[in-house]
Amino acid sequence: GQQLNQSPQSMFIQEGEDVSMNCTSSSIFNTWLWYKQDPGEGPVLLIALYKAGELTSNGRLTAQFGITRKDSFLNISASIPSDVGIYFCAALNYGGSQGNLIFGKGTKLSVKP
Amino acid sequence: AAGVIQSPRHLIKEKRETATLKCYPIPRHDTVYWYQQGPGQDPQFLISFYEKMQSDKGSIPDRFSAQQFSDYHSELNMSSLELGDSALYFCASSLGSATGEQYFGPGTRLTVT
Repeated sequence: GQQLNQSPQSMFIQEGEDVSMNCTSSSIFNTWLWYKQDPGEGPVLLIALYKAGELTSNGRLTAQFGITRKDSFLNISASIPSDVGIYFCAALNYGGSQGNLIFGKGTKLSVKP
Repeated sequence: AAGVIQSPRHLIKEKRETATLKCYPIPRHDTVYWYQQGPGQDPQFLISFYEKMQSDKGSIPDRFSAQQFSDYHSELNMSSLELGDSALYFCASSLGSATGEQYFGPGTRLTVT
């Protein structure tokens, strides 16, 4: 079935550092989204992307919709401690009538010891 | 702003028992989705409803059923519970599905003993 390959699986951040993560697929998707999930909580929508090549920002977060429509990138600038959590990429899958989300495996951001 | 409400937040059941999870979407949202997230896993799509009709079906076991009511709230009914059903269950809602922007509730943590 369709799957999203998200990397890196985990990373450590030091306050003030920039962070990058990406998501790739062998399938074309017309909508990519990025979510953040804190432990025991529901995913929170960060950014939604609708157009190939589109670059969208939300505060210190910037995401890009790859030109091939098979990938997406998320950058976090000047990271702060509250950025810690799990970031999921997701793509809208129109397997049926309304569509549902398929998710990458997540990138876990932790604070550097 | 109002968010998705899920109840209960935590539920403990024994094997072979039944469970009912409830979801109240964001006001005016007409589409509800159910996802299951195992420990350390990404959310997996189970089923969705649009305007009270089932719209898409994912990896939902036959032991599970769901419906959306006239007030747009949804219930996920789970019977003959198995140990492997222990997971976080999320409900998400959207206004239609064209944008793919799904907003998640806080989840119900189901533990089957």
